[in-house]
Amino acid sequence: NAGVTQTPKFQVLKTGQSMTLQCAQDMNHEYMSWYRQDPGMGLRLIHYSVGAGITDQGEVPNGYNVSRSTTEDFPLRLLSAAPSQTSVYFCASSFATSGAGTQYFGPGTRLTVL
Amino acid sequence: ELKVEQNPLFLSMQEGKNYTIYCNYSTTSDRLYWYRQDPGKSLESLFVLLSNGAVKQEGRLMASLDTKARLSTLHITAAVHDLSATYFCAVRYSGAGSYQLTFGKGTKLSVIP
Repeated sequence: NAGVTQTPKFQVLKTGQSMTLQCAQDMNHEYMSWYRQDPGMGLRLIHYSVGAGITDQGEVPNGYNVSRSTTEDFPLRLLSAAPSQTSVYFCASSFATSGAGTQYFGPGTRLTVL
Repeated sequence: ELKVEQNPLFLSMQEGKNYTIYCNYSTTSDRLYWYRQDPGKSLESLFVLLSNGAVKQEGRLMASLDTKARLSTLHITAAVHDLSATYFCAVRYSGAGSYQLTFGKGTKLSVIP
């Protein structure tokens, strides 16, 4: 049971480049989400999904796309990277309708946009 | 809009002392979570509080929830250096079908000898 995995761990991009951050979980969780963490800002929700084929926007969705074709995977796409997207990105998952709803976090991706 | 405020944001305390971190939130919630984050690491779940008056304890940490006051506390007893970390509270709005968490900005705790 690997939990929540994220790749890559580190990434450097140039302004305007695109890339996909990968997230996978093996706990059969319905709910998956992406957060960004910036100094002094806590964690802010980018996008989330309550099941395969269902996604919605969070607090800071601009510049990011998501899709959920399977229960296990929830990739985050940066369409045209900007320096303001330099951040640490965390993926999280949880059961949606059962249990306490505790979200389990992946190890994070540290992204720098030059 | 659900707002979550933690205070203090920074806390420096001596080993052996007691202290409390506060988490206030603005609207009705049915779940409150406490997480710990070590520098450069991910978030680790500490406690889930599900009802008014709930109290959970693990080692030197004790969390409580007062839903009427919309307040949760994380109490640290006889702090040790290993407790140095950033602590986040997160609140889930109790509206139907909502699973989103709103996080506080975190409390950076430093325990000094």
